Amino acid sequence: DAGITQSPRHKVTETGTPVTLRCHQTENHRYMYWYRQDPGHGLRLIHYSYGVKDTDKGEVSDGYSVSRSKTEDFLLTLESATSSQTSVYFCAISQGPFETQYFGPGTRLLVL
Amino acid sequence: DAKTTQPTSMDCAEGRAANLPCNHSTISGNEYVYWYRQIHSQGPQYIIHGLKNNETNEMASLIITEDRKSSTLILPHATLRDTAVYYCIVRVEGATGGGNKLTFGTGTQLKVEL
Repeated sequence: DAGITQSPRHKVTETGTPVTLRCHQTENHRYMYWYRQDPGHGLRLIHYSYGVKDTDKGEVSDGYSVSRSKTEDFLLTLESATSSQTSVYFCAISQGPFETQYFGPGTRLLVL
Repeated sequence: DAKTTQPTSMDCAEGRAANLPCNHSTISGNEYVYWYRQIHSQGPQYIIHGLKNNETNEMASLIITEDRKSSTLILPHATLRDTAVYYCIVRVEGATGGGNKLTFGTGTQLKVEL
């Protein structure tokens, strides 16, 4: 258990509304990641962070922004949600000499 | 990252060993073999990883062939709670940030039955 929590765990929203997902970690890990998981696409990296205020894009970053104002929180924002962003979102941290990734429990997002 | 090939599904009787194979014939010298699993509706769970030597932890054993082109994850005494999708991944040692992106393929659906 890498001390990762995600909130909310489930959310239903309407197209065009802003949505923010939160990832919280308690063990001061430097690297944090946001993935989405969809049938037929596996796990895809959205954004990652390598420190406070240090973030970079992953392979599917369009339509998403992130912020990390303190070590323990990594926020993922959908500025204007679309139905194509209906997915399960996982946060991860990496730790140890091999930077092994450990995942949170996920957030199920449904955009109507 | 090197591509991996796994069987789509496997069955195992509870209490027996589950042996999950993975082919990674194009693995590079600095790539490790990682195994994760995902129980329905949960986040992926790290199991074990290795470079070329066999590895064992409290969850499983990992056997990597001498040529490193394939590996086997062994759950020594499978239980119903081990029913999950198991993913074999290869990644570069110590990669960080975007280079640490994990690419999960379709994995092996392991069903443990009474």
